[in-house]
Amino acid sequence: GAGVSQSPSNKVTEKGKDVELRCDPISGHTALYWYRQSLGQGLEFLIYFQGNSAPDKSGLPSDRFSAERTGGSVSTLTIQRTQQEDSAVYLCASSLAGTSYEQYFGPGTRLTVT
Amino acid sequence: DAKTTQPPSMDCAEGRAANLPCNHSTISGNEYVYWYRQIHSQGPQYIIHGLKNNETNEMASLIITEDRKSSTLILPHATLRDTAVYYCIVRVANFGNEKLTFGTGTRLTIIP
Repeated sequence: GAGVSQSPSNKVTEKGKDVELRCDPISGHTALYWYRQSLGQGLEFLIYFQGNSAPDKSGLPSDRFSAERTGGSVSTLTIQRTQQEDSAVYLCASSLAGTSYEQYFGPGTRLTVT
Repeated sequence: DAKTTQPPSMDCAEGRAANLPCNHSTISGNEYVYWYRQIHSQGPQYIIHGLKNNETNEMASLIITEDRKSSTLILPHATLRDTAVYYCIVRVANFGNEKLTFGTGTRLTIIP
């Protein structure tokens, strides 16, 4: 079946603009995660959604970052007033409920802030 | 979550077994060992996970020492497509610990 999809695959934006990144998880997966990977760095957790529970936002780096998940499926990560340090690959993953299940990652969105 | 230590890089000849070590000396009894890999320009891919027993699937084998302080991921017949960064992750498998904490991993290069 279809895997996790993300759009756009690449986004170039000017400093100060807002951007929205989209994630379509695997159908039936109730858990959804956002991570980011800066150039030459490891993956950094951002936010986690599970069903109707309040999201775990503990990894969001600043209040310019927010995310929502509508209808328990598609998720949007929004970055307001982008800064150059926001440039990174933003990865989305989904899994079945429960931590023993593996996370399936999408191909990522490469964000470049100029 | 317990911290893991991996060598930064390794080479392996194509067709040979690739053995990737991971130290997790502070692992606690309810923590699992997970392995993911990331091929260049792709998202991470789950490989295998285990608690205390050795595990095998179609991709790899996971050998966990009896004291659980270290483990080895084995790719039995490495191919060029196995060139990737391999991450060893330790985490408690219960509610509130869903996120994966990635370290710097081991960059495995398969040599033709």
